[in-house]
Amino acid sequence: GAGVSQSPRYKVTKRGQDVALRCDPISGHVSLYWYRQALGQGPEFLTYFNYEAQQDKSGLPNDRFSAERPEGSISTLTIQRTEQRDSAMYRCASSELRGAPGGTQYFGPGTRLLVL
Amino acid sequence: QKEVEQNSGPLSVPEGAIASLNCTYSDRGSQSFFWYRQYSGKSPELIMSIYSNGDKEDGRFTAQLNKASQYVSLLIRDSQPSDSATYLCAVNTNTGNQFYFGTGTSLTVIP
Repeated sequence: GAGVSQSPRYKVTKRGQDVALRCDPISGHVSLYWYRQALGQGPEFLTYFNYEAQQDKSGLPNDRFSAERPEGSISTLTIQRTEQRDSAMYRCASSELRGAPGGTQYFGPGTRLLVL
Repeated sequence: QKEVEQNSGPLSVPEGAIASLNCTYSDRGSQSFFWYRQYSGKSPELIMSIYSNGDKEDGRFTAQLNKASQYVSLLIRDSQPSDSATYLCAVNTNTGNQFYFGTGTSLTVIP
């Protein structure tokens, strides 16, 4: 595709429910990143993949958060048993360089998650 | 200490003036540095990247990097109202491929 796409764009869920957020990176991009951005803050790193391999998940807040990229393209960020504090904008970015420092990241439009 | 620190502002400059945005980082081994612009309600978009000490110019934008002092700055010449946005500094650390973002500096260019 022309850019990074994410779905859904908005998600409202009740506390305790599971949610799955999808990211479709730019075609051919090797690296894929997940961030969480609170209002008035910069993006906070969660995890990233090179191809299908999750390289670093140290930014995931706790074990309710998980991510996968099974075929090295589309990725899903799953939050189990959502809590109100999970409410935020979740952003995905992709980069064409295989983990090399300096790879330019292109951001998707984000998924706004609201947990009631 | 945060990995990347920015003055949150807000910073206001008159149209046509130079806007100066600053950022400091804590990982001395960091190698890659980026400035992103984020309009309200939109996604971050890359403005400049810089990897070596000194200045890098691109149109009205100049990025400056000083690794010894661990700071990176962005100068915007001839500021325009359309430059009003939040500017995010991002650093690629040496220990992996994590990217750390600052909290952003809000810039308003007054016509």
